[in-house]
Amino acid sequence: DVKVTQSSRYLVKRTGEKVFLECVQDMDHENMFWYRQDPGLGLRLIYFSYDVKMKEKGDIPEGYSVSREKKERFSLILESASTNQTSMYLCALGSATEAFFGQGTRLTVV
Amino acid sequence: QQQVKQSPQSLIVQKGGISIINCAYENTAFDYFPWYQQFPGKGPALLIAIRPDVSEKKEGRFTISFNKSAKQFSLHIMDSQPGDSATYFCAASKRTGTASKLTFGTGTRLQVTL
Repeated sequence: DVKVTQSSRYLVKRTGEKVFLECVQDMDHENMFWYRQDPGLGLRLIYFSYDVKMKEKGDIPEGYSVSREKKERFSLILESASTNQTSMYLCALGSATEAFFGQGTRLTVV
Repeated sequence: QQQVKQSPQSLIVQKGGISIINCAYENTAFDYFPWYQQFPGKGPALLIAIRPDVSEKKEGRFTISFNKSAKQFSLHIMDSQPGDSATYFCAASKRTGTASKLTFGTGTRLQVTL
Protein backbone atom coordinates (compact mmCIF):
# COMPACT_ATOMS: atom_id res chain seq x y z
CA ASP A 1 0.00 0.00 0.00
CA VAL A 2 1.13 3.50 -0.82
CA LYS A 3 1.69 5.57 2.29
CA VAL A 4 1.65 9.36 2.22
CA THR A 5 2.10 10.80 5.68
CA GLN A 6 1.40 14.39 6.62
CA SER A 7 2.99 15.43 9.87
CA SER A 8 -0.05 17.10 11.45
CA ARG A 9 -3.81 16.56 11.15
CA TYR A 10 -4.69 19.90 12.75
CA LEU A 11 -2.64 23.05 13.14
CA VAL A 12 -3.45 26.49 14.55
CA LYS A 13 -1.03 29.32 13.78
CA ARG A 14 -0.99 33.07 14.27
CA THR A 15 -1.02 35.63 11.47
CA GLY A 16 2.51 36.41 10.34
CA GLU A 17 4.04 33.14 11.54
CA LYS A 18 6.19 31.03 9.25
CA VAL A 19 4.49 27.66 8.88
CA PHE A 20 5.94 24.36 7.70
CA LEU A 21 3.75 21.51 6.50
CA GLU A 22 5.62 18.25 6.06
CA CYS A 23 4.83 15.31 3.80
CA VAL A 24 6.68 12.01 3.67
CA GLN A 25 6.25 9.12 1.22
CA ASP A 26 7.49 5.53 1.31
CA MET A 27 7.20 4.81 -2.44
CA ASP A 28 10.39 6.37 -3.87
CA HIS A 29 8.14 8.28 -6.29
CA GLU A 30 9.49 11.21 -8.28
CA ASN A 31 6.34 13.34 -8.40
CA MET A 32 4.88 14.99 -5.32
CA PHE A 33 2.18 17.64 -5.08
CA TRP A 34 0.63 20.10 -2.64
CA TYR A 35 -3.05 20.98 -3.01
CA ARG A 36 -5.38 23.08 -0.95
CA GLN A 37 -9.03 22.13 -0.61
CA ASP A 38 -11.74 24.70 0.02
CA PRO A 39 -15.53 24.24 -0.12
CA GLY A 40 -16.88 25.15 -3.54
CA LEU A 41 -13.40 25.52 -5.01
CA GLY A 42 -12.31 21.89 -5.06
CA LEU A 43 -8.66 20.90 -5.07
CA ARG A 44 -6.27 23.56 -6.31
CA LEU A 45 -2.62 22.84 -7.03
CA ILE A 46 -0.14 25.00 -5.14
CA TYR A 47 3.23 23.52 -6.11
CA PHE A 48 4.60 20.27 -7.40
CA SER A 49 7.99 18.62 -7.60
CA TYR A 50 9.16 16.02 -10.10
CA ASP A 51 12.56 15.33 -8.56
CA VAL A 52 14.81 16.31 -5.69
CA LYS A 53 15.38 20.07 -5.69
CA MET A 54 13.06 20.46 -8.70
CA LYS A 55 9.82 22.35 -8.29
CA GLU A 56 7.18 24.05 -10.38
CA LYS A 57 4.42 26.46 -9.53
CA GLY A 58 0.88 25.23 -9.69
CA ASP A 59 -2.24 27.32 -10.08
CA ILE A 60 -2.11 29.24 -6.78
CA PRO A 61 1.54 29.56 -5.61
CA GLU A 62 1.29 33.08 -4.15
CA GLY A 63 2.21 33.18 -0.48
CA TYR A 64 3.72 29.68 -0.54
CA SER A 65 7.08 28.07 -1.20
CA VAL A 66 8.26 24.46 -1.16
CA SER A 67 11.36 22.46 -0.38
CA ARG A 68 12.40 19.03 -1.56
CA GLU A 69 15.88 18.17 -0.31
CA LYS A 70 15.27 14.42 -0.21
CA LYS A 71 13.12 12.31 -2.51
CA GLU A 72 10.82 11.09 0.23
CA ARG A 73 10.02 14.48 1.80
CA PHE A 74 8.18 17.45 0.32
CA SER A 75 7.55 20.49 2.51
CA LEU A 76 5.11 23.34 2.00
CA ILE A 77 6.10 26.65 3.56
CA LEU A 78 3.84 29.57 4.33
CA GLU A 79 6.30 32.43 4.57
CA SER A 80 3.98 34.71 6.56
CA ALA A 81 0.68 33.04 7.37
CA SER A 82 -2.50 34.99 6.69
CA THR A 83 -6.12 34.27 7.56
CA ASN A 84 -6.97 33.60 3.91
CA GLN A 85 -4.61 30.64 4.06
CA THR A 86 -6.91 28.87 6.50
CA SER A 87 -7.70 25.69 4.60
CA MET A 88 -7.25 21.94 4.26
CA TYR A 89 -3.86 21.11 2.75
CA LEU A 90 -3.38 17.82 0.95
CA CYS A 91 -0.10 16.27 -0.09
CA ALA A 92 -0.10 13.73 -2.91
CA LEU A 93 2.28 11.68 -4.96
CA GLY A 94 1.79 9.98 -8.27
CA SER A 95 1.38 10.62 -11.93
CA ALA A 96 -1.15 12.00 -14.36
CA THR A 97 -3.06 8.74 -14.17
CA GLU A 98 -3.27 8.29 -10.42
CA ALA A 99 -2.58 10.43 -7.38
CA PHE A 100 -2.27 9.04 -3.85
CA PHE A 101 -3.24 11.51 -1.17
CA GLY A 102 -2.35 11.93 2.47
CA GLN A 103 -5.09 12.50 5.04
CA GLY A 104 -4.66 16.24 4.99
CA THR A 105 -3.67 18.98 7.41
CA ARG A 106 -6.39 21.36 8.49
CA LEU A 107 -4.65 24.67 9.07
CA THR A 108 -6.34 27.52 10.89
CA VAL A 109 -4.64 30.92 10.89
CA VAL A 110 -5.90 33.25 13.61
CA GLN B 1 -9.93 30.06 -14.75
CA GLN B 2 -11.72 26.80 -14.04
CA GLN B 3 -10.52 24.28 -16.59
CA VAL B 4 -12.81 21.54 -15.31
CA LYS B 5 -16.35 22.56 -14.36
CA GLN B 6 -18.37 20.24 -12.13
CA SER B 7 -22.05 20.18 -11.17
CA PRO B 8 -24.03 19.97 -9.03
CA GLN B 9 -22.26 21.21 -5.92
CA SER B 10 -24.40 18.95 -3.74
CA LEU B 11 -26.78 16.10 -4.37
CA ILE B 12 -29.25 14.17 -2.23
CA VAL B 13 -30.41 10.80 -3.54
CA GLN B 14 -32.59 8.14 -1.97
CA LYS B 15 -31.17 4.69 -1.38
CA GLY B 16 -31.51 2.65 -4.53
CA GLY B 17 -31.66 5.70 -6.78
CA ILE B 18 -29.22 6.85 -9.47
CA SER B 19 -26.70 9.57 -8.66
CA ILE B 20 -25.44 11.61 -11.62
CA ILE B 21 -22.56 14.09 -11.50
CA ASN B 22 -21.50 16.06 -14.54
CA CYS B 23 -18.22 17.61 -15.63
CA ALA B 24 -17.10 19.68 -18.59
CA TYR B 25 -13.57 20.53 -19.69
CA GLU B 26 -12.06 23.11 -22.00
CA ASN B 27 -8.55 21.92 -22.80
CA THR B 28 -8.67 19.49 -25.73
CA ALA B 29 -5.16 18.32 -24.82
CA PHE B 30 -6.57 16.45 -21.82
CA ASP B 31 -6.49 12.72 -22.47
CA TYR B 32 -7.31 11.10 -19.16
CA PHE B 33 -10.40 11.62 -17.02
CA PRO B 34 -10.54 10.09 -13.53
CA TRP B 35 -13.04 10.40 -10.72
CA TYR B 36 -11.96 10.58 -7.09
CA GLN B 37 -14.01 9.75 -4.00
CA GLN B 38 -13.36 11.41 -0.66
CA PHE B 39 -14.81 10.35 2.69
CA PRO B 40 -14.77 12.76 5.66
CA GLY B 41 -11.37 12.92 7.32
CA LYS B 42 -9.65 11.14 4.44
CA GLY B 43 -7.77 12.17 1.35
CA PRO B 44 -9.38 11.58 -2.06
CA ALA B 45 -8.87 8.16 -3.65
CA LEU B 46 -9.16 7.07 -7.27
CA LEU B 47 -12.57 5.56 -8.00
CA ILE B 48 -12.74 5.02 -11.76
CA ALA B 49 -11.15 6.56 -14.87
CA ILE B 50 -11.65 6.73 -18.62
CA ARG B 51 -9.60 7.55 -21.70
CA PRO B 52 -11.23 9.53 -24.54
CA ASP B 53 -11.09 6.68 -27.04
CA VAL B 54 -14.07 5.01 -25.33
CA SER B 55 -17.52 6.43 -24.63
CA GLU B 56 -18.33 4.46 -21.50
CA LYS B 57 -16.60 2.56 -18.72
CA LYS B 58 -18.34 0.55 -16.06
CA GLU B 59 -16.99 -0.85 -12.80
CA GLY B 60 -19.65 -2.40 -10.62
CA ARG B 61 -22.27 0.23 -9.81
CA PHE B 62 -20.09 3.08 -11.11
CA THR B 63 -20.15 4.16 -14.77
CA ILE B 64 -18.37 6.98 -16.56
CA SER B 65 -20.00 8.31 -19.73
CA PHE B 66 -17.75 10.35 -22.02
CA ASN B 67 -18.77 12.70 -24.86
CA LYS B 68 -15.65 13.88 -26.65
CA SER B 69 -17.39 16.23 -29.09
CA ALA B 70 -19.21 18.00 -26.26
CA LYS B 71 -16.14 17.90 -23.99
CA GLN B 72 -18.26 16.47 -21.20
CA PHE B 73 -18.14 13.43 -18.96
CA SER B 74 -20.30 12.19 -16.15
CA LEU B 75 -20.34 9.73 -13.27
CA HIS B 76 -23.40 7.56 -12.72
CA ILE B 77 -23.82 5.64 -9.47
CA MET B 78 -26.50 2.99 -9.86
CA ASP B 79 -28.43 1.62 -6.88
CA SER B 80 -26.91 4.32 -4.66
CA GLN B 81 -26.18 3.24 -1.09
CA PRO B 82 -25.67 5.21 2.14
CA GLY B 83 -22.02 4.07 2.05
CA ASP B 84 -21.62 6.03 -1.19
CA SER B 85 -22.16 9.28 0.74
CA ALA B 86 -18.94 11.19 0.07
CA THR B 87 -17.51 14.05 -1.94
CA TYR B 88 -16.75 13.24 -5.57
CA PHE B 89 -14.23 15.06 -7.73
CA CYS B 90 -13.83 14.76 -11.45
CA ALA B 91 -10.40 15.47 -12.87
CA ALA B 92 -8.52 15.69 -16.14
CA SER B 93 -4.91 15.40 -17.18
CA LYS B 94 -2.46 15.05 -20.02
CA ARG B 95 -0.72 11.72 -19.58
CA THR B 96 2.52 12.64 -21.33
CA GLY B 97 5.17 15.15 -20.41
CA THR B 98 7.29 15.82 -17.39
CA ALA B 99 5.35 15.98 -14.16
CA SER B 100 1.97 15.58 -15.76
CA LYS B 101 -0.60 16.70 -13.26
CA LEU B 102 -4.29 16.43 -12.53
CA THR B 103 -6.72 19.34 -12.76
CA PHE B 104 -9.70 18.82 -10.47
CA GLY B 105 -13.30 19.98 -10.57
CA THR B 106 -14.90 21.78 -7.64
CA GLY B 107 -16.44 18.66 -6.09
CA THR B 108 -19.93 17.29 -5.45
CA ARG B 109 -21.09 16.35 -1.99
CA LEU B 110 -23.37 13.32 -2.32
CA GLN B 111 -25.74 12.28 0.42
CA VAL B 112 -27.65 9.04 0.05
CA THR B 113 -30.64 8.85 2.37
CA LEU B 114 -32.44 5.77 3.65
